[in-house]
Amino acid sequence: QKEVEQDPGPLSVPEGAIVSLNCTYSNSAFQYFMWYRQYSRKGPELLMYTYSSGNKEDGRFTAQVDKSSKYISLFIRDSQPSDSATYLCAMKLGQAGTALIFGKGTTLSVSS
Amino acid sequence: SAVISQKPSRDICQRGTSLTIQCQVDSQVTMMFWYRQQPGQSLTLIATANQGSEATYESGFVIDKFPISRPNLTFSTLTVSNMSPEDSSIYLCSAMTGSYEQYFGPGTRLTVT
Repeated sequence: QKEVEQDPGPLSVPEGAIVSLNCTYSNSAFQYFMWYRQYSRKGPELLMYTYSSGNKEDGRFTAQVDKSSKYISLFIRDSQPSDSATYLCAMKLGQAGTALIFGKGTTLSVSS
Repeated sequence: SAVISQKPSRDICQRGTSLTIQCQVDSQVTMMFWYRQQPGQSLTLIATANQGSEATYESGFVIDKFPISRPNLTFSTLTVSNMSPEDSSIYLCSAMTGSYEQYFGPGTRLTVT
């Protein structure tokens, strides 16, 4: 079992839809949970991060972490064609200096 | 945040040769990392570039194949040595500010023929 599992998609939705992206993980010691967005032929861009459990909202984006279920989600409201990208979940241990462990990424396409 | 640049952005190399990738960060950072991204795969951590000491490599990656330097707090290099077609990939430099925010460069797209 991989440490971080993410459905690669692809996921296609019409403009304005609510998108739900999810990851599961196996290591209960993970403390920081991130979502990155990667456009084609670009490096990953940090979108949101959450420490431990709970929700975090930033504009149209909401990140949720459920540590009891080892499950994290990213919701995109009112999706736009510019949201079309690959979304990568990533997580890390609490100790300083440890690197991120990534999921495979979910490719999202939003059609106008 | 941190802005990271990488050179070269892409290269096509012959089998058996070596390529050195440079990574420059616009501010001093606590940690620097090198990742590999293959099509349809997760980003895989190659090593942590330690300033003033040897890099720390992940399982499956060795110093002879991927020597890394980090002479200061804003710069690092990754060399891909004795390349084979299996080394064709995107190589990403990453830097951590504080204890958890990690930023990425645009990547170096390497093709080995």
